[in-house]
Amino acid sequence: NAGVTQTPKFRVLKTGQSMTLLCAQDMNHEYMYWYRQDPGMGLRLIHYSVGEGTTAKGEVPDGYNVSRLKKQNFLLGLESAAPSQTSVYFCASSAGTSGVGAKNIQYFGAGTRLSVL
Amino acid sequence: GQQVMQIPQYQHVQEGEDFTTYCNSSTTLSNIQWYKQRPGGHPVFLIQLVKSGEVKKQKRLTFQFGEAKKNSSLHITATQTTDVGTYFCAARPPFYGGATNKLIFGTGTLLAVQP
Repeated sequence: NAGVTQTPKFRVLKTGQSMTLLCAQDMNHEYMYWYRQDPGMGLRLIHYSVGEGTTAKGEVPDGYNVSRLKKQNFLLGLESAAPSQTSVYFCASSAGTSGVGAKNIQYFGAGTRLSVL
Repeated sequence: GQQVMQIPQYQHVQEGEDFTTYCNSSTTLSNIQWYKQRPGGHPVFLIQLVKSGEVKKQKRLTFQFGEAKKNSSLHITATQTTDVGTYFCAARPPFYGGATNKLIFGTGTLLAVQP
């Protein structure tokens, strides 16, 4: 059981280049999330999805787009990379509906370390 | 927007000493979760607190949720080198309730343990 898998693990881009980060989960979770992690700022939500075909903006969505064409996959796109997007990107998923049970737990992938020069 | 403040940002202890990190919100929370991230790793769920005044223990770790459901703490007794990492609280305010299941993460506390 792989859980949440992110590809690639590392990437270096030049300013203005585009790329797509892929997140795949095999737990049949409804909810998926993209976060970025920067030193001293914790995890900030970029976009999220509450089910196949849905996406919504999080706390820091500018410069990113997402798609969830299949339930198990959540793609994060950078159309024109900027140095400010240098960060570690984490994907997470949860079974979650409302409430406070185990479905509320978020499971994270190993992360993608992105540098934009 | 909604913020969850976590203190301290960094703590360096000798192995065997105790450690505590605090998480504070200006508004009442629906529940709070704690995650641990090892250096170079990804956040891993530790525990979830739901009830006012709730206390839960996991071996040497004690988690508390404040009576007003606005703050929480994680206390580690007799730290070990395996405790090294960043500890995050993650809060779910009531107005985020429903189907979104979004969490607001604190800035984290980095724990260093010297053998």
